[in-house]
Amino acid sequence: AQSVTQLGSHVSVSEGALVLLRCNYSSSVPPYLFWYVQYPNQGLQLLLKYTTGATLVKGINGFEAEFKKSETSFHLTKPSAHMSDAAEYFCAVSDPVNAGGTSYGKLTFGQGTILTVHP
Amino acid sequence: DSGVTQTPKHLITATGQRVTLRCSPRSGDLSVYWYQQSLDQGLQFLIQYYNGEERAKGNILERFSAQQFPDLHSELNLSSLELGDSALYFCASSASLVGELFFGEGSRLTVL
Repeated sequence: AQSVTQLGSHVSVSEGALVLLRCNYSSSVPPYLFWYVQYPNQGLQLLLKYTTGATLVKGINGFEAEFKKSETSFHLTKPSAHMSDAAEYFCAVSDPVNAGGTSYGKLTFGQGTILTVHP
Repeated sequence: DSGVTQTPKHLITATGQRVTLRCSPRSGDLSVYWYQQSLDQGLQFLIQYYNGEERAKGNILERFSAQQFPDLHSELNLSSLELGDSALYFCASSASLVGELFFGEGSRLTVL
């Protein structure tokens, strides 16, 4: 079964500093990986996803993540934090796609990392 | 706006009661997923439906049930409610083969 571990339940950075949110996964098959963001009192919004191909994935709001198979990691980064980045971030791995070609791919989420950005 | 609509947004009820949460997926999405989010358990997968049929089951209590109707909307029924059922319940839908989920804004349930 798939699992996701996010290292650090809280990360605090200064505005303009590098953001690094860590995610390690466990999967018996090549994974599909996702990062979602949740702002207060809102649902989850997709930041970026990795399926196949290029291992460096760019997402919205200047975020990117790199799939490293050897390290089973999918860390999220942003070169320069902005106050509006303050939110909770979730890493997720998808179940394998059904062999019949129809995805039943539920997502398994990590515990989340709350990002605080200081002025 | 994700295109996924959940009602009600907030619900306060008493222990022992029953509630129904409703979800309308994005137009054309056949898969609907229900998740429960709480402070101690995080985001927990409950159940998935695809085109009206149950496809995957997670940590869903026997007191909970769900269904997906022919028009593809889904309902999550929670009965014999306990204090510990207080949580944010999310519905998500998807259409692609890569499992990208689109989430509604959730229904916040408070059990007193």
